[in-house]
Amino acid sequence: EADIYQTPRYLVIGTGKKITLECSQTMGHDKMYWYQQDPGMELHLIHYSYGVNSTEKGDLSSESTVSRIRTEHFPLTLESARPSHTSQYLCASSGTLGTGVYGYTFGSGTRLTVV
Amino acid sequence: QQQVKQSPQSLIVQKGGISIINCAYENTAFDYFPWYQQFPGKGPALLIAIRPDVSEKKEGRFTISFNKSAKQFSLHIMDSQPGDSATYFCAASRGGGSNYKLTFGKGTLLTVNP
Repeated sequence: EADIYQTPRYLVIGTGKKITLECSQTMGHDKMYWYQQDPGMELHLIHYSYGVNSTEKGDLSSESTVSRIRTEHFPLTLESARPSHTSQYLCASSGTLGTGVYGYTFGSGTRLTVV
Repeated sequence: QQQVKQSPQSLIVQKGGISIINCAYENTAFDYFPWYQQFPGKGPALLIAIRPDVSEKKEGRFTISFNKSAKQFSLHIMDSQPGDSATYFCAASRGGGSNYKLTFGKGTLLTVNP
């Protein structure tokens, strides 16, 4: 079944550590996105990619970086984690869904806690 | 500048009642308006979507009403059930949605009491 996968689901890490949040999709979509979701629910776009070797910063400034070397893989990296990075991170892809309708497919998210 | 304004922020409805969530947009170039549903611990999932060539779209208990002149659209959940308790996001984009990023509303937390 086509889907989008994020690992890990939960991560608790110390300040200053380097982390990579993984995101892979089997949807066959070219476009992929990273959102940061705060406790108040709002979704903030932090990075997006329209294809291999294409990455752009989103609406919310973020200290994280992304790469898109393969169509199906869109990892997010924090070089030095800080408590202010504590949040829920959601990965998504967009394109035609199984029903034939256009839309976004989201992963289940990574809940990051930096202590 | 928030391009899609969603209200209310939270909503409590009794089982069997009607839940109504409203959204207003500013960009007249928007021509694709989806709604997403998010359960705790999950990512948002596409619930229903409408294009401006129709004023209403219904899928089961979920209906989108669209008012192009007022630049507003709303989600109605008929016969609301406790299983409908979730966060709902409206969104909008240009180009029929296929080539442009979605702009999301801030979300509405719906609680349906048994």
